[in-house]
Amino acid sequence: KAGVTQTPRYLIKTRGQQVTLSCSPISGHRSVSWYQQTPGQGLQFLFEYFSETQRNKGNFPGRFSGRQFSNSRSEMNVSTLELGDSALYLCASCTGQGAEEQYFGPGTRLTVT
Amino acid sequence: GESVGLHLPTLSVQEGDNSIINCAYSNSASDYFIWYKQESGKGPQFIIDIRSNMDKRQGQRVTVLLNKTVKHLSLQIAATQPGDSAVYFCAEISNDYKLSFGAGTTVTVRA
Repeated sequence: KAGVTQTPRYLIKTRGQQVTLSCSPISGHRSVSWYQQTPGQGLQFLFEYFSETQRNKGNFPGRFSGRQFSNSRSEMNVSTLELGDSALYLCASCTGQGAEEQYFGPGTRLTVT
Repeated sequence: GESVGLHLPTLSVQEGDNSIINCAYSNSASDYFIWYKQESGKGPQFIIDIRSNMDKRQGQRVTVLLNKTVKHLSLQIAATQPGDSAVYFCAEISNDYKLSFGAGTTVTVRA
Protein backbone atom coordinates (compact mmCIF):
# COMPACT_ATOMS: atom_id res chain seq x y z
CA LYS A 1 0.00 0.00 0.00
CA ALA A 2 1.44 3.37 -1.00
CA GLY A 3 2.13 5.87 1.75
CA VAL A 4 1.07 9.47 2.07
CA THR A 5 2.50 11.58 -0.71
CA GLN A 6 2.96 15.32 -0.80
CA THR A 7 3.79 17.61 -3.68
CA PRO A 8 5.85 19.56 -4.22
CA ARG A 9 8.62 18.55 -1.85
CA TYR A 10 10.32 21.93 -1.98
CA LEU A 11 9.02 25.36 -2.82
CA ILE A 12 10.42 28.88 -2.78
CA LYS A 13 8.04 31.83 -2.85
CA THR A 14 8.29 35.54 -2.21
CA ARG A 15 6.34 37.57 0.30
CA GLY A 16 2.83 38.43 -0.78
CA GLN A 17 2.47 35.45 -3.10
CA GLN A 18 0.16 32.57 -2.49
CA VAL A 19 0.90 28.86 -2.53
CA THR A 20 -1.01 25.60 -2.86
CA LEU A 21 0.28 22.34 -1.43
CA SER A 22 -1.11 18.92 -2.22
CA CYS A 23 -1.50 15.75 -0.20
CA SER A 24 -2.63 12.30 -1.31
CA PRO A 25 -3.61 10.08 1.61
CA ILE A 26 -3.22 6.36 1.95
CA SER A 27 -5.86 4.54 -0.04
CA GLY A 28 -8.99 4.09 2.05
CA HIS A 29 -8.17 6.89 4.46
CA ARG A 30 -10.80 9.60 4.60
CA SER A 31 -9.20 11.95 7.10
CA VAL A 32 -6.37 14.29 6.20
CA SER A 33 -4.74 16.62 8.69
CA TRP A 34 -2.23 19.38 8.05
CA TYR A 35 0.56 20.52 10.33
CA GLN A 36 3.15 23.28 10.26
CA GLN A 37 6.56 22.45 11.64
CA THR A 38 9.07 25.15 12.52
CA PRO A 39 12.16 25.02 14.77
CA GLY A 40 10.69 27.53 17.18
CA GLN A 41 7.07 26.34 17.40
CA GLY A 42 7.39 22.63 16.76
CA LEU A 43 4.50 20.76 15.16
CA GLN A 44 1.33 22.78 15.11
CA PHE A 45 -2.06 21.57 13.95
CA LEU A 46 -3.58 23.54 11.08
CA PHE A 47 -6.80 21.71 10.22
CA GLU A 48 -8.33 18.35 9.55
CA TYR A 49 -10.65 17.29 6.76
CA PHE A 50 -12.91 14.29 6.76
CA SER A 51 -15.19 13.37 3.86
CA GLU A 52 -14.65 16.75 2.20
CA THR A 53 -15.60 18.71 5.33
CA GLN A 54 -13.34 20.58 7.69
CA ARG A 55 -13.85 18.81 10.99
CA ASN A 56 -11.21 20.52 13.12
CA LYS A 57 -9.24 23.71 12.95
CA GLY A 58 -6.17 24.98 14.75
CA ASN A 59 -5.27 28.52 15.68
CA PHE A 60 -3.97 29.86 12.40
CA PRO A 61 -5.09 33.02 10.57
CA GLY A 62 -7.57 32.92 7.73
CA ARG A 63 -4.71 33.13 5.21
CA PHE A 64 -4.38 29.39 5.75
CA SER A 65 -7.15 27.40 4.14
CA GLY A 66 -7.70 23.94 2.82
CA ARG A 67 -10.07 21.65 1.05
CA GLN A 68 -10.60 18.00 0.42
CA PHE A 69 -11.81 16.33 -2.72
CA SER A 70 -14.13 13.37 -3.17
CA ASN A 71 -11.14 11.06 -3.61
CA SER A 72 -9.83 12.26 -0.19
CA ARG A 73 -6.91 14.14 -1.69
CA SER A 74 -6.40 17.43 0.05
CA GLU A 75 -4.88 20.79 -0.72
CA MET A 76 -3.90 23.60 1.55
CA ASN A 77 -3.50 27.17 0.45
CA VAL A 78 -1.62 30.01 2.04
CA SER A 79 -2.35 33.47 0.70
CA THR A 80 -0.32 36.65 1.13
CA LEU A 81 2.76 34.78 2.24
CA GLU A 82 4.86 36.14 5.09
CA LEU A 83 8.46 35.33 5.98
CA GLY A 84 7.21 33.55 9.08
CA ASP A 85 5.31 31.07 6.93
CA SER A 86 8.60 29.40 6.03
CA ALA A 87 8.24 25.91 7.44
CA LEU A 88 7.84 22.23 6.75
CA TYR A 89 4.20 21.50 6.02
CA LEU A 90 3.19 17.97 6.86
CA CYS A 91 0.02 16.15 6.08
CA ALA A 92 -1.15 12.99 7.76
CA SER A 93 -3.95 10.60 6.97
CA CYS A 94 -6.01 8.07 8.85
CA THR A 95 -9.40 6.40 8.55
CA GLY A 96 -10.92 9.13 10.68
CA GLN A 97 -13.12 6.75 12.61
CA GLY A 98 -11.65 7.39 16.04
CA ALA A 99 -8.46 7.91 17.99
CA GLU A 100 -5.85 6.17 15.86
CA GLU A 101 -2.40 6.47 14.39
CA GLN A 102 -1.91 9.14 11.78
CA TYR A 103 0.42 8.36 8.91
CA PHE A 104 2.60 11.23 7.83
CA GLY A 105 3.90 12.22 4.44
CA PRO A 106 7.45 13.50 3.87
CA GLY A 107 6.34 17.11 3.95
CA THR A 108 6.68 20.15 1.72
CA ARG A 109 9.51 22.51 2.63
CA LEU A 110 8.29 26.06 1.95
CA THR A 111 10.75 28.93 1.97
CA VAL A 112 9.42 32.47 1.78
CA THR A 113 11.91 35.15 0.78
CA GLY B 1 -4.32 26.18 26.51
CA GLU B 2 -3.77 22.52 27.03
CA SER B 3 -0.70 21.03 25.47
CA VAL B 4 1.69 18.16 25.42
CA GLY B 5 5.28 18.82 26.25
CA LEU B 6 8.59 17.04 26.65
CA HIS B 7 10.84 17.56 29.64
CA LEU B 8 14.17 17.76 27.83
CA PRO B 9 14.91 19.17 24.39
CA THR B 10 18.05 17.04 23.91
CA LEU B 11 19.34 13.70 25.08
CA SER B 12 22.79 12.27 24.45
CA VAL B 13 23.17 8.55 25.03
CA GLN B 14 25.96 6.04 24.63
CA GLU B 15 25.38 3.34 22.06
CA GLY B 16 24.12 0.24 23.79
CA ASP B 17 22.68 2.09 26.75
CA ASN B 18 18.97 2.50 27.41
CA SER B 19 17.25 5.80 26.62
CA ILE B 20 14.34 7.33 28.46
CA ILE B 21 12.40 10.19 26.93
CA ASN B 22 9.76 11.92 29.01
CA CYS B 23 6.63 13.81 28.21
CA ALA B 24 4.02 15.60 30.32
CA TYR B 25 0.51 16.22 29.11
CA SER B 26 -2.25 18.33 30.54
CA ASN B 27 -5.42 17.35 28.68
CA SER B 28 -7.14 14.84 30.94
CA ALA B 29 -9.67 14.17 28.16
CA SER B 30 -7.04 12.60 25.92
CA ASP B 31 -7.40 8.86 25.65
CA TYR B 32 -4.78 7.91 23.12
CA PHE B 33 -1.09 8.68 22.99
CA ILE B 34 1.53 8.07 20.33
CA TRP B 35 5.28 8.34 20.16
CA TYR B 36 6.67 9.41 16.82
CA LYS B 37 10.23 9.43 15.53
CA GLN B 38 11.34 11.98 12.97
CA GLU B 39 14.58 11.64 11.09
CA SER B 40 16.11 14.48 9.17
CA GLY B 41 14.23 15.23 5.95
CA LYS B 42 11.38 12.88 6.74
CA GLY B 43 7.93 13.08 8.22
CA PRO B 44 7.21 11.65 11.68
CA GLN B 45 7.02 7.87 11.85
CA PHE B 46 4.94 5.89 14.30
CA ILE B 47 6.88 4.07 17.00
CA ILE B 48 4.35 2.91 19.56
CA ASP B 49 1.01 3.92 20.99
CA ILE B 50 -0.92 3.45 24.20
CA ARG B 51 -4.51 4.00 25.22
CA SER B 52 -5.60 5.53 28.46
CA ASN B 53 -6.89 2.24 29.84
CA MET B 54 -3.33 0.88 29.88
CA ASP B 55 -0.23 1.90 31.81
CA LYS B 56 2.42 0.03 29.87
CA ARG B 57 2.92 -1.25 26.37
CA GLN B 58 5.92 -2.93 24.85
CA GLY B 59 7.16 -3.12 21.31
CA GLN B 60 10.40 -4.18 19.74
CA ARG B 61 13.10 -2.52 21.90
CA VAL B 62 10.63 0.17 22.96
CA THR B 63 8.33 0.51 25.93
CA VAL B 64 5.82 3.24 26.61
CA LEU B 65 4.66 3.99 30.13
CA LEU B 66 1.62 6.05 30.96
CA ASN B 67 0.98 7.52 34.39
CA LYS B 68 -2.44 9.12 34.31
CA THR B 69 -2.22 10.26 37.92
CA VAL B 70 0.57 12.71 37.15
CA LYS B 71 -0.19 12.94 33.42
CA HIS B 72 3.18 11.65 32.38
CA LEU B 73 4.25 9.59 29.41
CA SER B 74 7.66 8.08 28.77
CA LEU B 75 9.38 6.19 26.00
CA GLN B 76 12.13 3.75 26.82
CA ILE B 77 14.47 2.53 24.11
CA ALA B 78 16.54 -0.50 24.98
CA ALA B 79 20.10 -0.92 23.72
CA THR B 80 20.10 2.37 21.82
CA GLN B 81 21.60 2.16 18.34
CA PRO B 82 22.98 4.85 16.00
CA GLY B 83 19.83 4.52 13.89
CA ASP B 84 17.82 5.70 16.88
CA SER B 85 19.27 9.20 16.50
CA ALA B 86 16.30 11.37 15.66
CA VAL B 87 13.76 13.76 17.12
CA TYR B 88 11.10 12.05 19.22
CA PHE B 89 7.65 13.51 19.73
CA CYS B 90 4.88 12.47 22.00
CA ALA B 91 1.39 13.20 20.78
CA GLU B 92 -2.03 12.99 22.33
CA ILE B 93 -5.32 12.51 20.55
CA SER B 94 -8.53 13.66 22.12
CA ASN B 95 -11.95 12.31 21.33
CA ASP B 96 -12.50 15.04 18.75
CA TYR B 97 -9.61 13.65 16.69
CA LYS B 98 -7.24 16.55 17.43
CA LEU B 99 -3.60 15.51 17.56
CA SER B 100 -1.39 17.68 19.77
CA PHE B 101 2.38 17.30 19.73
CA GLY B 102 4.99 18.04 22.30
CA ALA B 103 8.05 20.10 21.43
CA GLY B 104 10.26 17.10 20.70
CA THR B 105 13.44 15.63 22.14
CA THR B 106 16.51 15.30 19.95
CA VAL B 107 18.30 12.05 20.72
CA THR B 108 21.94 11.76 19.75
CA VAL B 109 23.62 8.38 20.03
CA ARG B 110 27.36 8.42 20.78
CA ALA B 111 29.46 5.63 19.33
